[in-house]
Amino acid sequence: ETGVTQTPRHLVMGMTNKKSLKCEQHLGHNAMYWYKQSAKKPLELMFVYNFKEQTENNSVPSRFSPECPNSSHLFLHLHTLQPEDSALYLCASSHSGTGDEKLFFGSGTQLSVL
Amino acid sequence: EDQVTQSPEALRLQEGESSSLNCSYTVSGLRGLFWYRQDPGKGPEFLFTLYSAGEEKEKERLKATLTKKESFLHITAPKPEDSATYLCAVQGSTDSWGKLQFGAGTQVVVTP
Repeated sequence: ETGVTQTPRHLVMGMTNKKSLKCEQHLGHNAMYWYKQSAKKPLELMFVYNFKEQTENNSVPSRFSPECPNSSHLFLHLHTLQPEDSALYLCASSHSGTGDEKLFFGSGTQLSVL
Repeated sequence: EDQVTQSPEALRLQEGESSSLNCSYTVSGLRGLFWYRQDPGKGPEFLFTLYSAGEEKEKERLKATLTKKESFLHITAPKPEDSATYLCAVQGSTDSWGKLQFGAGTQVVVTP
C-alpha cells in the first residue's frame, strides 16, 4: 500500500459509545496530523505529532484522545461524543521541519454521532 | 491570527470556459501558501506550494499565482474532470510546523 490509509471509512456511533479511528502512512514521514472537516467550514487542525511527540493540541475537547505509537501510525480515540462532533476526520502526514510542509491526506472517516 | 478567505464559494463553468478562483489571506510572515483539490468522499490532494510574491506554478490546466495579499488559481479550458472543491491554505512564520490555516474552499462544477 502507498500513501495515507484511514479506517474505518464510515462510522456511526451513539453518544455513550467508545470507538477509535486508525491512520497509517507509508510515506516515511515524521509528522502526522488529525484534522476535522465540517460541512461548509474550513479544515480545523486538531492534533500534531512530530517524531511520535505531540507538538500541538488545538484546544480540542478531552473526549478526543490521540495516540501515536510510532511515526507510521496514528489513532484518535473517541468517547462520549456529541452530535456536533459529526464530521469528516482527516489524517495527514508530512516531512516536518524540511521547509516543505505539504500535507498528504487520507480519505477520511465520515463520523456520525447519534 | 492567520486568516484565509476564498471566493467565490461555488463556480459553475461550461467545458472550455476559463476562470479564476481567489484566495485572500492575512498572515504574519508567509512561510507558504498551498492549493489543494478535494473530490467528494476523499481527502485533499496537494497541487501547489507558493512561497513568495510573484511566484507562479502550473500543472496541466491549472496555474497558481501569488501576491502579497492574495493568490489566484486559474483554470484554463476546464474539463469535467476538473470538477472538485479547491482549497487554499497558508502557513505563517510564527506557526508551528504543519499548522496550516485553511479557507472554506471553492466548489467548481464543469459541465460538458
